[in-house]
Amino acid sequence: DAGVIQSPRHEVTEMGQEVTLRCKPISGHDYLFWYRQTMMRGLELLIYFNNNVPIDDSGMPEDRFSAKMPNASFSTLKIQPSEPRDSAVYFCASGELSQPQHFGDGTRLSIL
Amino acid sequence: AQSVTQLGSHVSVSEGALVLLRCNYSSSVPPYLFWYVQYPNQGLQLLLKYTSAATLVKGINGFEAEFKKSETSFHLTKPSAHMSDAAEYFCAVSEGNGGFKTIFGAGTRLFVKA
Repeated sequence: DAGVIQSPRHEVTEMGQEVTLRCKPISGHDYLFWYRQTMMRGLELLIYFNNNVPIDDSGMPEDRFSAKMPNASFSTLKIQPSEPRDSAVYFCASGELSQPQHFGDGTRLSIL
Repeated sequence: AQSVTQLGSHVSVSEGALVLLRCNYSSSVPPYLFWYVQYPNQGLQLLLKYTSAATLVKGINGFEAEFKKSETSFHLTKPSAHMSDAAEYFCAVSEGNGGFKTIFGAGTRLFVKA
């Protein structure tokens, strides 16, 4: 089992640029979660999907953030345009109902 | 609504000493409770989980946690700390019996002194 795979591991870009983070969940998992982790706010749930359908996006901070899951093996989190305050570590996790979530190693995003 | 409170953002122990990380939760339904560990530059890894079976749950790396309904607590312990235990630990709660949204605590960073 390869685990949850996120890419890129690190991203440095200038303010105003579009950023796309990618996630491949564990095969067979019905749920996919996107989190953001910062020193100030801790671990925040941004959005989660069930069977590729967005269920709760109440944690998405602004319209600049969007997430898609076109199929069961791939999801993206997009920020457009990016701002310095978006700098954080973004985690993707997958899981099954009432079971623990499996986390990827995260994408460390720095917006200059 | 569910919530999790971890008491102490930082805990420091000596190698070989008892580790105690505190977690209190609130939930309107029987909860599922989890402890995760995060090492630097890595994602969260599951240490152990409580899902309404035995109240004393044993996890990996010698950790265990006890579910106490009367105290709404789920504290994490390890009898003897090792240097490799230095990490950040997160307590989490989700709705049992079909719940899917997990609420994470703010985390407790454990330091282990030689």
